[in-house]
Amino acid sequence: DAGVIQSPRHEVTEMGQEVTLRCKPISGHNSLFWYRQTMMRGLELLIYFNNNVPIDDSGMPEDRFSAKMPNASFSTLKIQPSEPRDSAVYFCASSLAPRAYNEQFFGPGTRLTVL
Amino acid sequence: AQKVTQAQTEISVVEKEDVTLDCVYETRDTTYYLFWYKQPPSGELVFLIRRNSFDEQNEISGRYSWNFQKSTSSFNFTITASQVVDSAVYFCALITAGNKLTFGGGTRVLVKP
Repeated sequence: DAGVIQSPRHEVTEMGQEVTLRCKPISGHNSLFWYRQTMMRGLELLIYFNNNVPIDDSGMPEDRFSAKMPNASFSTLKIQPSEPRDSAVYFCASSLAPRAYNEQFFGPGTRLTVL
Repeated sequence: AQKVTQAQTEISVVEKEDVTLDCVYETRDTTYYLFWYKQPPSGELVFLIRRNSFDEQNEISGRYSWNFQKSTSSFNFTITASQVVDSAVYFCALITAGNKLTFGGGTRVLVKP
């Protein structure tokens, strides 16, 4: 299995620009998670989907952030407009449900730098 | 609310020394799972172990061992005979009903040759 795939691996953009991060979960996994990692706040859950449906988006920082999962094999996290404080590593993870306690497998992350 | 505390922010050891990473958790749920993840310098998060709240049996996997003590809400991780390749940030995490994984702040382990 290829594991969780994220693209791009690195993104540098200017403040105000739209940023789209992409994730392909492990085939057969039906839960997908987006996390953000910063030095100040550590690892934070932004949103998670179960069977392509958003279950909990309470971690999404503000309306500039949005996430979609149009099908079982693809999800996007969009930031519009981006700000320097959005600079972080964004991880996507997937797991098997309905067993809620299954381990999550993480992608390699996207390092976002907003200038 | 649930919380995971890793009081040690950084530990530095010399190769072949043992190192123990502390993890203390808080939750009101009676059913939960605890995890350890490793984040090497390359950045990815690697799953190491999962333990459920009803299984307090300690586990050993090679040079890694885990000590789960429900009475003290702790799930400590020991690396025996550390190697340079063990240098990484290690995260303890907790998941309860609702599928939300809560991470501790991480402990950076530096193993010097």
